[in-house]
Amino acid sequence: GDSVTQMEGPVTLSEEAFLTINCTYTATGYPSLFWYVQYPGEGLQLLLKATKADDKGSNKGFEATYRKETTSFHLEKGSVQVSDSAVYFCALYFGNEKLTFGTGTRLTIIP
Amino acid sequence: GAVVSQHPSRVICKSGTSVKIECRSLDFQATTMFWYRQFPKQSLMLMATSNEGSKATYEQGVEKDKFLINHASLTLSTLTVTSAHPEDSSFYICSARDEAGANVLTFGAGSRLTVL
Repeated sequence: GDSVTQMEGPVTLSEEAFLTINCTYTATGYPSLFWYVQYPGEGLQLLLKATKADDKGSNKGFEATYRKETTSFHLEKGSVQVSDSAVYFCALYFGNEKLTFGTGTRLTIIP
Repeated sequence: GAVVSQHPSRVICKSGTSVKIECRSLDFQATTMFWYRQFPKQSLMLMATSNEGSKATYEQGVEKDKFLINHASLTLSTLTVTSAHPEDSSFYICSARDEAGANVLTFGAGSRLTVL
């Protein structure tokens, strides 16, 4: 079945460090790919998405490129801030079917 | 943009009682809504797909008689945890698909249920 494998956390970085959170997927066909962010005590917010191969999603300085060859959708940010501390979920989605989430990666940024 | 409102955000109840959680799409219609459960420090587990005007579709292992889902209108789905027990304590999150925005799910802020 479809699945998403995410880099295990927790990840702790210093402010202004470069961030990469790896995400790979297994799916039959070509899903849409998403990154969601969950701040402490809150629900999920869509961070960015890509709907087809080679698309790059970007938002708030975060980027991720849909790589069909490597079935990956790694999340990157050039300079993280304390306010980026949250749990990040990679997910895939096929039209009317359910959203499949990775296990989440907890990110902590220290000043 | 699309907004999904969930209520209540926090609820504490006694064991054996029932609790209802509402999920509303505020500015769009949603024929399909999804209910997730999130355990501490874990990912989201899809519990069921709520279909407007018909029965919900439950994922394997989810007790349909315990977690009652009703989707009576295009903007409202409810999840009722019946005869709640401490092990039902969790974070419940709903999401809705904007009919006009295919492949975009909007999530509610979640409801934290604590059963004493």
